[in-house]
Amino acid sequence: EDQVTQSPEALRLQEGESSSLNCSYTVSGLRGLFWYRQDPGKGPEFLFTLYSAGEEKEKERLKATLTKKESFLHITAPKPEDSATYLCAVLLNAGGTSYGKLTFGQGTILTVHP
Amino acid sequence: EAQVTQNPRYLITVTGKKLTVTCSQNMNHEYMSWYRQDPGLGLRQIYYSMNVEVTDKGDVPEGYKVSRKEKRNFPLILESPSPNQTSLYFCASKREGLYNEQFFGPGTRLTVL
Repeated sequence: EDQVTQSPEALRLQEGESSSLNCSYTVSGLRGLFWYRQDPGKGPEFLFTLYSAGEEKEKERLKATLTKKESFLHITAPKPEDSATYLCAVLLNAGGTSYGKLTFGQGTILTVHP
Repeated sequence: EAQVTQNPRYLITVTGKKLTVTCSQNMNHEYMSWYRQDPGLGLRQIYYSMNVEVTDKGDVPEGYKVSRKEKRNFPLILESPSPNQTSLYFCASKREGLYNEQFFGPGTRLTVL
């Protein structure tokens, strides 16, 4: 069975305290991995797509990396506005369609204190 | 503004009373999908549609119906809601293409008493 696990479930940081979120997976037919950010009361918002092991993507204070078994979302010198739930989702090949299928992890709730 | 809209945003209902949650997107996306989000379980796919009149089950389809008569709309129907369908529901859409990202609506919080 395809499984996606995010850790930790919740993370509290002080402003400026860098850390990493983990997304590990055991799936067959992985085609890529997405990271989303979700603010309270809102839908997930796209951050990154990672296509293959070894790839890295950066956006402001966030950097996402991918290996064959897991992905990390590194947060450098976070600010209170980075507080949100971060979701990873693995992209699987669904029956050879051109859309694929996303399987989500349960999310990591990040709180950054000033 | 490119967006996915859902209505209603909040709904409290009683067991067995049929309801429909509407979803509309203005980006001319072919693919649309419904998810439910529950604490500790993440987002789970209910149904999806790859184009007009083409729908298929996701991981948790029991108790739900969908239809796709127009490209922009993808309503979610609960014919006889039960308390275990109390959840936060999201509609999403994307362009054709394996790596294109999904755009999510703002969510509908449903409570079934």
